[in-house]
Amino acid sequence: SAVISQKPSRDICQRGTSLTIQCQVDSQVTMMFWYRQQPGQSLTLIATANQGSEATYESGFVIDKFPISRPNLTFSTLTVSNMSPEDSSIYLCSALGTAHGYTFGSGTRLTVV
Amino acid sequence: DAKTTQPTSMDCAEGRAANLPCNHSTISGNEYVYWYRQIHSQGPQYIIHGLKNNETNEMASLIITEDRKSSTLILPHATLRDTAVYYCIVLKSSGDKLTFGTGTRLAVRP
Repeated sequence: SAVISQKPSRDICQRGTSLTIQCQVDSQVTMMFWYRQQPGQSLTLIATANQGSEATYESGFVIDKFPISRPNLTFSTLTVSNMSPEDSSIYLCSALGTAHGYTFGSGTRLTVV
Repeated sequence: DAKTTQPTSMDCAEGRAANLPCNHSTISGNEYVYWYRQIHSQGPQYIIHGLKNNETNEMASLIITEDRKSSTLILPHATLRDTAVYYCIVLKSSGDKLTFGTGTRLAVRP
């Protein structure tokens, strides 16, 4: 399975600022996804990161708040824009390669103060 | 994708088998059953998946009923490191999006 490196692993940010999270996969993958996990909750899909085109967002998530880039088949970024305390969550990157399972990064723990 | 129902929490003794049930009564013929788990402070980890036959790998066994409306994940000899939230997910294919329900919180006790 693909191995995912996600940076930063955690950060504390001021409200109103933005944070960009990076996701690097050790092999080319067909699909990449971004999830949010609020404290004590399950994972919620934010969007599918499409290589070379705009991401596909799930209901309740918009590009202005969560811009996503995917310049190639091994890398993607998620930006959390104009942050508020409600954005405090764990953000996870996921990838689907040639194997049958989805691989996840270890997540970015974001605290907005 | 079909909806799944799992117990909120379970526990088992270390060394014993952990049997985690999942109901997916609206599953369609081309949908697979996937199991993932999330250990505290880590990303979800793939365990096993199946279509209609029982499956076994080095981590677990997956038993799917003949009508495919339910399945059971079996961890044959649970250890403390198996304490995690276990998610049962139904997917049409490996290219589908993973949608997580609330899962089952398994506590393995010494």
